[in-house]
Amino acid sequence: KAGVTQTPRYLIKTRGQQVTLSCSPISGHRSVSWYQQTPGQGLQFLFEYFSETQRNKGNFPGRFSGRQFSNSRSEMNVSTLELGDSALYLCASSLVGGGNQPQHFGDGTRLSIL
Amino acid sequence: AQSVSQHNHHVILSEAASLELGCNYSYGGTVNLFWYVQYPGQHLQLLLKYFSGDPLVKGIKGFEAEFIKSKFSFNLRKPSVQWSDTAEYFCAVNSGANNLFFGTGTRLTVIP
Repeated sequence: KAGVTQTPRYLIKTRGQQVTLSCSPISGHRSVSWYQQTPGQGLQFLFEYFSETQRNKGNFPGRFSGRQFSNSRSEMNVSTLELGDSALYLCASSLVGGGNQPQHFGDGTRLSIL
Repeated sequence: AQSVSQHNHHVILSEAASLELGCNYSYGGTVNLFWYVQYPGQHLQLLLKYFSGDPLVKGIKGFEAEFIKSKFSFNLRKPSVQWSDTAEYFCAVNSGANNLFFGTGTRLTVIP
């Protein structure tokens, strides 16, 4: 069974630009969550999508948004990029929603802002 | 808001030594607890999880963790570490929703 696939693996952008990251969950998984990992703040929850609806949201500004498609694939968008947005962005999927389902993580997209 | 504390930032052990990594969380309600491991160059992988029932849970690769509700702790243990256990270990918690709160991680280095 293929794991969680994130594309692209690496991205370099400049301040003020916007970026879209993609995540394909494990086949059959309907919940997709996004996390930001930085050396200073560690792993922080961004949001979760289930059945094309955002169900949970972390404490990030509105520049961070996402969506989920009918095939459960998800995209995350960051607008007006800032230097502090440089991070590893991780996607995780689980079968259904609910916290007692283990989440399976992808390799991440490393975003660098110049 | 929930938070997770991992007391050890970097632990260095010799092979065959015993391991215990501390994890404390702050949340008064029902929680689900996880330990994830990240081997060098690999993605986060689930080591073990606790949802309910027996507070001593066993995971992959000989790891186990004990949930002590009165201490808000979920410490990870392994009786005898191997060089291949060198990795970063993350404790995480949620309270029924799919948003995990992670600790800052503990880097384990095992010396052959």
